[in-house]
Amino acid sequence: GAVVSQHPSWVICKSGTSVKIECRSLDFQATTMFWYRQFPKQSLMLMATSNEGSKATYEQGVEKDKFLINHASLTLSTLTVTSAHPEDSSFYICSAREGTSGSYEQFFGPGTRLTVL
Amino acid sequence: SQQGEEDPQALSIQEGENATMNCSYKTSINNLQWYRQNSGRGLVHLILIRSNEREKHSGRLRVTLDTSKKSSSLLITASRAADTASYFCAPTQGGANSKLTFGKGITLSVRP
Repeated sequence: GAVVSQHPSWVICKSGTSVKIECRSLDFQATTMFWYRQFPKQSLMLMATSNEGSKATYEQGVEKDKFLINHASLTLSTLTVTSAHPEDSSFYICSAREGTSGSYEQFFGPGTRLTVL
Repeated sequence: SQQGEEDPQALSIQEGENATMNCSYKTSINNLQWYRQNSGRGLVHLILIRSNEREKHSGRLRVTLDTSKKSSSLLITASRAADTASYFCAPTQGGANSKLTFGKGITLSVRP
């Protein structure tokens, strides 16, 4: 089956630093990748959609200068949280879609837990 | 994109019992997907049902779709403690620009 990995699985950083999270599709080419954020006991909130080779499309209310997304290849997308603050502490989940099956099924990574001190 | 509305918000059952979870949505769809999330983990795709299908099975899972009522149900038969998780439905219009958005989900607790 389609596998999506994320790295790191957890990260702790100091306030003001930047953190990069990687999302990789391991056995398929992902034309589109999605980034979600999930606060404790809440649902997943879609942050942005990225297509390989083009700029990401951000959901309303998500600061694109703070959450930098790069989808440089068909198997890798990165999310960089710039100048992180404690309120950015959350569970970040990516998903990837192949786009050729017709059903546009999304496969999710295991998530990255970010804690900003 | 549209998100589904799951019901009930929480469900607690005894191991061996069946669990029925419901999802409603507002506009026409191409397909509807059900996902499971264990605590602190990513989402696991359970099953996809297309708009022209009425019922689909996968192991202990049975999904129905009623497009006239804009609703779907997920039935887990002979539940196990390992089924304890949050469950989300995701109705989607399909197509290259579709994206999955999620409601609050259903927290299922299966007591051993």
